[in-house]
Amino acid sequence: EAGVAQSPRYKIIEKRQSVAFWCNPISGHATLYWYQQILGQGPKLLIQFQNNGVVDDSQLPKDRFSAERLKGVDSTLKIQPAKLEDSAVYLCASSFMLGGGPYNEQFFGPGTRLTVL
Amino acid sequence: TQLLEQSPQFLSIQEGENLTVYCNSSSVFSSLQWYRQEPGEGPVLLVTVVTGGEVKKLKRLTFQFGDARKDSSLHITAAQTGDTGLYLCAGVMNTGFQKLVFGTGTRLLVSP
Repeated sequence: EAGVAQSPRYKIIEKRQSVAFWCNPISGHATLYWYQQILGQGPKLLIQFQNNGVVDDSQLPKDRFSAERLKGVDSTLKIQPAKLEDSAVYLCASSFMLGGGPYNEQFFGPGTRLTVL
Repeated sequence: TQLLEQSPQFLSIQEGENLTVYCNSSSVFSSLQWYRQEPGEGPVLLVTVVTGGEVKKLKRLTFQFGDARKDSSLHITAAQTGDTGLYLCAGVMNTGFQKLVFGTGTRLLVSP
């Protein structure tokens, strides 16, 4: 079974530029998550999709971040414009279904490391 | 705001030593998961504990969920170099949908 795919793996941009990340979840997984992991910290949930609908975006800085999952499969996360403090690893994860009880497992991709100069 | 505090933040030990990592919160979680993350990769689930007081063993790793479901510990016996990595606890909040709140992380380095 193929894992969660993310691209690009690395991105360096200057502040105020725009950037987009792409995620392809595990086939058949209905739920998709985007996390931000700042160096030295644990991941922080940015947004959670169930199929193509948003179920939680309470921690997404909506003035500059946006995400979509148009066909309920792939997803893109965009930052426009980027700030220095956006430097982090952006992780995408997927799980078979929303909820699914306490043993519902999230599978993570390798992440995109973003550096904002 | 991180709801889960892990200690220690960093641990450097020799192969064969034992260690314990702690994960503490003032919040109650429906369950708690432990992940290990290696450089350049995403976190990988190690275990899920659900019941207060539950103890689970995974080879040399022992996980315990506190009676009040607010804290957890991970004990590694006879550490090996392959145990090196970032260990993350994650509290599961059931707010209509399952939401993970990750801890601050413990970076473990096991030297030969």
